[in-house]
Amino acid sequence: EVQLVESGGGLVQPGGSLRLSCAASGFLFSTYTIDWIRQAPGKGLEWVSSISSGSHDIFYAESVKGRFTISRDNAKNSVYLQMNSLRGDDTAVYYCARDWTGTTFDYWGQGTLVTVSS
Amino acid sequence: QSALTQPASVSGSPGQSITISCTGTSRDVGAYNYVSWYQQHPGKAPKLVIYDVSVRPSGVSDRFSGSKSGNTASLIISGLQPEDESDYYCNSYSSSGTPHFGTGTKVTVL
Repeated sequence: EVQLVESGGGLVQPGGSLRLSCAASGFLFSTYTIDWIRQAPGKGLEWVSSISSGSHDIFYAESVKGRFTISRDNAKNSVYLQMNSLRGDDTAVYYCARDWTGTTFDYWGQGTLVTVSS
Repeated sequence: QSALTQPASVSGSPGQSITISCTGTSRDVGAYNYVSWYQQHPGKAPKLVIYDVSVRPSGVSDRFSGSKSGNTASLIISGLQPEDESDYYCNSYSSSGTPHFGTGTKVTVL
């Protein structure tokens, strides 16, 4: 069974940092692109970042470019999102998702909530 | 990056068919057959219901179908059922190399 489990969310002050993790199981992790997608409270989905299977292709949304860094460890079946210089508008549930074709997210984690507030 | 445009809400009675539109541009929806649709119930993660414009994943009801014309993609739900009441989001690959989500549509079953 394919599973994606996010962790690392929590309350952080503006300007602070947080590192999210996404642990995968049930599929050949090293062959898939993984994406982070977020959803602010009561709002829609926003794509954040993606990392290809071998980490050669990495993309970011303009809203997080220069502040967030995505990485992965195929030996640990995990993807990470290092979030620095956090702002109030980064408050959201962050989902990791398996990226099947570059724009088809066929499996999602349950999400982890990040709250940026003083 | 601009979000794709969806109606805020669509409603229908049980058994009816409804259509949710997703309007983009010639740089995303109009340029690629890489449109997907997601169903999201409150407090839950999104679930893929259509990909590549009109392909239904295994296990998804055949009451869900998709199509595209020009810069607008559509999700059609036929034989509307109470469990279809949910939020729906479209997504398309874009010429920027990144995906764009739609603004989301709340479907209400009357």
